[in-house]
Amino acid sequence: NAGVTQTPKFQVLKTGQSMTLQCAQDMNHEYMSWYRQDPGMGLRLIHYSVGAGITDQGEVPNGYNVSRSTTEDFPLRLLSAAPSQTSVYFCASRQGSNQPQHFGDGTRLSIL
Amino acid sequence: AQKVTQAQTEISVVEKEDVTLDCVYETRDTTYYLFWYKQPPSGELVFLIRRNSFDEQNEISGRYSWNFQKSTSSFNFTITASQVVDSAVYFCALSEYRDDKIIFGKGTRLHILP
Repeated sequence: NAGVTQTPKFQVLKTGQSMTLQCAQDMNHEYMSWYRQDPGMGLRLIHYSVGAGITDQGEVPNGYNVSRSTTEDFPLRLLSAAPSQTSVYFCASRQGSNQPQHFGDGTRLSIL
Repeated sequence: AQKVTQAQTEISVVEKEDVTLDCVYETRDTTYYLFWYKQPPSGELVFLIRRNSFDEQNEISGRYSWNFQKSTSSFNFTITASQVVDSAVYFCALSEYRDDKIIFGKGTRLHILP
């Protein structure tokens, strides 16, 4: 069972480059979210989606775009990477609002 | 707006001691859900428990127990007879019925010393 799959696992970018972090789930979950984890800051919500075609902003959305064209996929785009976006990114999915999140293994992103 | 506070940034205890991790939440909703997750040194996030706002019964699972008190807006997590394998970062999280997102606290890093 794949669950939530994130690619890549590691990435180094230069300031100003663009990149898409991929997230796919095979559990037919309606809800998907992106979090970033920074030391001392916990997990902060970037964007989330409650179904195909529906997305909304979380706590720290600036500098990131998302789209949800299918139930399975929820990519996160950095349009112009900045050093402040160096972080570990987690994608998560769940079946409904009262259900726990299933997390991917994370993407460690460094912006030089 | 919903908020989760984990005031303990880091805790160290000697193996076999009991330890309690605190979680205090804020919400205006009467229906909500609380969660605990564990993040071991390997980095993955592991779901431990979910509790809904209508169920105030305490939960016990082996050495783990959870104390939910609506009167103090707290959902504390106790590990009894701690083991080195319990060393991890533990996150408390909140989801409101009328909202679609889960908000996490900043986490508590737990060190179990042999």
